[in-house]
Amino acid sequence: AQKITQTQPGMFVQEKEAVTLDCTYDTSDPSYGLFWYKQPSSGEMIFLIYQGSYDQQNATEGRYSLNFQKARKSANLVISASQLGDSAMYFCAIGDGQNFVFGPGTRLSVLP
Amino acid sequence: DVKVTQSSRYLVKRTGEKVFLECVQDMDHENMFWYRQDPGLGLRLIYFSYDVKMKEKGDIPEGYSVSREKKERFSLILESASTNQTSMYLCASKFTTGVSYEQYFGPGTRLTVT
Repeated sequence: AQKITQTQPGMFVQEKEAVTLDCTYDTSDPSYGLFWYKQPSSGEMIFLIYQGSYDQQNATEGRYSLNFQKARKSANLVISASQLGDSAMYFCAIGDGQNFVFGPGTRLSVLP
Repeated sequence: DVKVTQSSRYLVKRTGEKVFLECVQDMDHENMFWYRQDPGLGLRLIYFSYDVKMKEKGDIPEGYSVSREKKERFSLILESASTNQTSMYLCASKFTTGVSYEQYFGPGTRLTVT
């Protein structure tokens, strides 16, 4: 069975600073994908970034990057230059092609 | 743009009622999913479907059933609603092949059972 752990229920960051949201996972599948989603207070789930288990390079999408450490089973999300609009819940998820498992989420608050 | 729509944003039902939550996607995705979201627990998978008339139980299927008669539509049914089913329900869809395809989510239905 797959499992996602997010140990930070809440985080604060000053506007324009970088922040790292932690995610560790457990799986016995050799092939899997790791995803990060953002959920603002309006409730919609917004896809941010994807990392494949066989990808050699860390994924980047604009201000988002994924620090993938396969041996440690870690897939931390790094947000650079935080903005007020980044305040939201952030979910890490692992997928094997059909099934997805989500973590409990981290609530990020960006301070002006 | 992928569109996943859900029939209601907010729903209030009484204990014992039969409740239908509808989800429609317009991108010809094979896979569709129903989750419930509760604070501190993240999203938990109730059921998913990988094709018309095909379904698989997720982590918390008890008290729920699903129907997928057409590829674009996936319905979640609460046979006899109970107060512990008060939650946010999220529908999602994705292409079936490969691990790289992300899920696209609907706006969610906040269900209150009184």
